[in-house]
Amino acid sequence: DQQVKQNSPSLSVQEGRISILNCDYTNSMFDYFLWYKKYPAEGPTFLISISSIKDKNEDGRFTVFLNKSAKHLSLHIVPSQPGDSAVYFCAASASYSGGGADGLTFGKGTHLIIQP
Amino acid sequence: KAGVTQTPRYLIKTRGQQVTLSCSPISGHRSVSWYQQTPGQGLQFLFEYFSETQRNKGNFPGRFSGRQFSNSRSEMNVSTLELGDSALYLCASSWVKGVGTYEQYFGPGTRLTVT
Repeated sequence: DQQVKQNSPSLSVQEGRISILNCDYTNSMFDYFLWYKKYPAEGPTFLISISSIKDKNEDGRFTVFLNKSAKHLSLHIVPSQPGDSAVYFCAASASYSGGGADGLTFGKGTHLIIQP
Repeated sequence: KAGVTQTPRYLIKTRGQQVTLSCSPISGHRSVSWYQQTPGQGLQFLFEYFSETQRNKGNFPGRFSGRQFSNSRSEMNVSTLELGDSALYLCASSWVKGVGTYEQYFGPGTRLTVT
């Protein structure tokens, strides 16, 4: 039972345009959501996170939107650059009352290809 | 600030042996988590340690164990290795940055090959 789903295995976007990566989740206990970029044989690189108390978070070219009622989040990259070509993972976690968070549950990833 | 470091980066072991992997978190981070990445299963959570205590555990057999030291460094041990344990093992350290902000950073991973 996949609790975090990234339904698009791959996405091709032209350089300079907006890349939109989507993620759906089923567990209503999740309240932290994170996006990672990953190259083969390397650890994931943290990009941006959002908690369930917000519906939008921005950091430079990256914006994450959260729609709690739809259990859906998306990562927008504007403008897309060739170096953005990688596999992007969505991850979710439930928080502790003590301030920590549960282990991350990852989606299967979306391979983003930026075309010149 | 230095990132998460893992040693060794590559390891080849024989079926039935045991292995110990090491992780040093980002300075100031007290939570360390371990993940296994395989082509078939993707990234899966193994366990998490906080202040030397295992706080959370994923769905892996008891052959997978870990510990955390007082300086927050962590080790992961796999006993009686099986061929299916071949994977990239990732360590991550995390912190609650502020109200509503949680970040988790990964190390480069240890590539374990079991023959």
